[in-house]
Amino acid sequence: GNSVTQMEGPVTLSEEAFLTINCTYTATGYPSLFWYVQYPGEGLQLLLKATKADDKGSNKGFEATYRKETTSFHLEKGSVQVSDSAVYFCALTGNTGGFKTIFGAGTRLFVKA
Amino acid sequence: DTGVSQDPRHKITKRGQNVTFRCDPISEHNRLYWYRQTLGQGPEFLTYFQNEAQLEKSRLLSDRFSAERPKGSFSTLEIQRTEQGDSAMYLCASSLGEGGNYNSPLHFGNGTRLTVT
Repeated sequence: GNSVTQMEGPVTLSEEAFLTINCTYTATGYPSLFWYVQYPGEGLQLLLKATKADDKGSNKGFEATYRKETTSFHLEKGSVQVSDSAVYFCALTGNTGGFKTIFGAGTRLFVKA
Repeated sequence: DTGVSQDPRHKITKRGQNVTFRCDPISEHNRLYWYRQTLGQGPEFLTYFQNEAQLEKSRLLSDRFSAERPKGSFSTLEIQRTEQGDSAMYLCASSLGEGGNYNSPLHFGNGTRLTVT
């Protein structure tokens, strides 16, 4: 079945540091890929998405590129802020076997001032 | 867009009791999902509906769990004979999906936290 694996946290960075959170997936067909974010005390919300190979999703300075050859969708940001502290979830929705979205375990990010 | 709302926010129950949670999706969304999330884990898929039809249910889901979406609007999730292992955050999400569209992102509610004592 479909699955998502993302790097374990927590990740601790200083403000303005470069962020990478790795995500790889296993899926049949051509899934859509997503990053969701959960800020402290809030619900999960979409951060960005990409729906086909080589697409780049971007939002709030975050980017991720859909790499089919490496089955990856790594999240990057060039300069993190304290307000980026949250838990980040990589997810996919497959185009075979229904429309359910599968999530990774999440990576907690702490950004220090 | 008033967002996805879930009720109650918290539920404490004794082992063996039945509990029911409600989810009101975004009004124009035709797909509704239930997930379960435990500490340090990502949301685990339970079941989903397209309109009033329940299209998929996780094979890991015990027969004690049942969900309904009677008129294609709100949904309920019932857990019968609760066990301590059922303690978790139960999340509802909705999306607007047409035909074979699988690109629509999920909009989540704030969840119902269940504690079974």
